[in-house]
Amino acid sequence: DAGVIQSPRHEVTEMGQEVTLRCKPISGHDYLFWYRQTMMRGLELLIYFNNNVPIDDSGMPEDRFSAKMPNASFSTLKIQPSEPRDSAVYFCASSWLQETQYFGPGTRLLVL
Amino acid sequence: AQSVTQPDIHITVSEGASLELRCNYSYGATPYLFWYVQSPGQGLQLLLKYFSGDTLVQGIKGFEAEFKRSQSSFNLRKPSVHWSDAAEYFCAVGASGNTPLVFGKGTRLSVIA
Repeated sequence: DAGVIQSPRHEVTEMGQEVTLRCKPISGHDYLFWYRQTMMRGLELLIYFNNNVPIDDSGMPEDRFSAKMPNASFSTLKIQPSEPRDSAVYFCASSWLQETQYFGPGTRLLVL
Repeated sequence: AQSVTQPDIHITVSEGASLELRCNYSYGATPYLFWYVQSPGQGLQLLLKYFSGDTLVQGIKGFEAEFKRSQSSFNLRKPSVHWSDAAEYFCAVGASGNTPLVFGKGTRLSVIA
């Protein structure tokens, strides 16, 4: 199994630009999570899905952030417009039944 | 509310020495507990997990952890550390493997010769 796949691995953009992060969960997993890691706040949940339906988006910082899961194999996290404080590592994770969450390699975002 | 405390921000041990990383959690019910490891520039890899049953759990790379309900702790141990163990270690708690995890701030492990 290829594991959770995230793209891009690194993203550098300028303030005000739109950023789209992508995630492909492990095949057969029906839960998908987006986390953000920063030095100040550590790892925090942004949003999670079950069977492509958002269950809890209370961690999404503001309206500039949006996430979708159009099918079981793909999810996106979009930031529009981006700001320097959005600079962080964004992780996607997936799980199945009561199993463990498996994490992708992360996307390192730098907003200048 | 759930919370995880990892009291040690940074630990340095000699190669071959034993290791214990501390984790204390706050959770209202029986927790699902996890230890993950993150190497520089990498994602999080699961070391071990506790759901129920035997309170001493074995993981990958020779790690083990013990769940102590009375102390709300889930400390990670390894009898002999290798240089390749240098990384950041995260303890996490959740209601299950399919619910959001709450992570500690992490403990950075350095290994010296």
